[in-house]
Amino acid sequence: NAGVTQTPKFQVLKTGQSMTLQCAQDMNHEYMSWYRQDPGMGLRLIHYSVGAGITDQGEVPNGYNVSRSTTEDFPLRLLSAAPSQTSVYFCASTPVGHGANVLTFGAGSRLTVL
Amino acid sequence: DAKTTQPNSMESNEEEPVHLPCNHSTISGTDYIHWYRQLPSQGPEYVIHGLTSNVNNRMASLAIAEDRKSSTLILHRATLRDAAVYYCILRDSSGTYKYIFGTGTRLKVLA
Repeated sequence: NAGVTQTPKFQVLKTGQSMTLQCAQDMNHEYMSWYRQDPGMGLRLIHYSVGAGITDQGEVPNGYNVSRSTTEDFPLRLLSAAPSQTSVYFCASTPVGHGANVLTFGAGSRLTVL
Repeated sequence: DAKTTQPNSMESNEEEPVHLPCNHSTISGTDYIHWYRQLPSQGPEYVIHGLTSNVNNRMASLAIAEDRKSSTLILHRATLRDAAVYYCILRDSSGTYKYIFGTGTRLKVLA
């Protein structure tokens, strides 16, 4: 199992450009989520999904779009990047249902917006 | 969303036990308590979780107060590799599946 795979690991954008951060998991987890982590700060939830076709907003959703067409993939789209979106982005997944449902994280994608 | 409160930072000497506290006074009856840690320049990783009873695994122990309004992560013998940010979060059992992280506790281990 590869676990949670994020691509790219590093990306530099200019203000106004668009891009998609990819997240894939091979554990058949229904739940997937995106977090951002600014320097010296904790993780803040952007969007999450409890299954294909279902997405919901987290704490800081503005400026980001998501979709969930398959169980395995949960891409995060920045339609018009802004310097305030410079951050490290983490994807996480877990099964849905009764039980503890602990999160498995990817290694992160570092985004710089100039 | 149920929130947790942790000290911003703590220090420990190498080879000594570390007790990392977490307050969660608004915890619901079926919320699980999760602990994760984030090593420098890495993604968070799972440490331990519990519901009502104290828990042990190879990484740590989790002590949960009887009223469940607080918990303590115990590292029995801190090593330099344990220097990380430790997050205590509640697994929302209301069905919304929002895992909300706070700022965590930055643990510094002194040689």
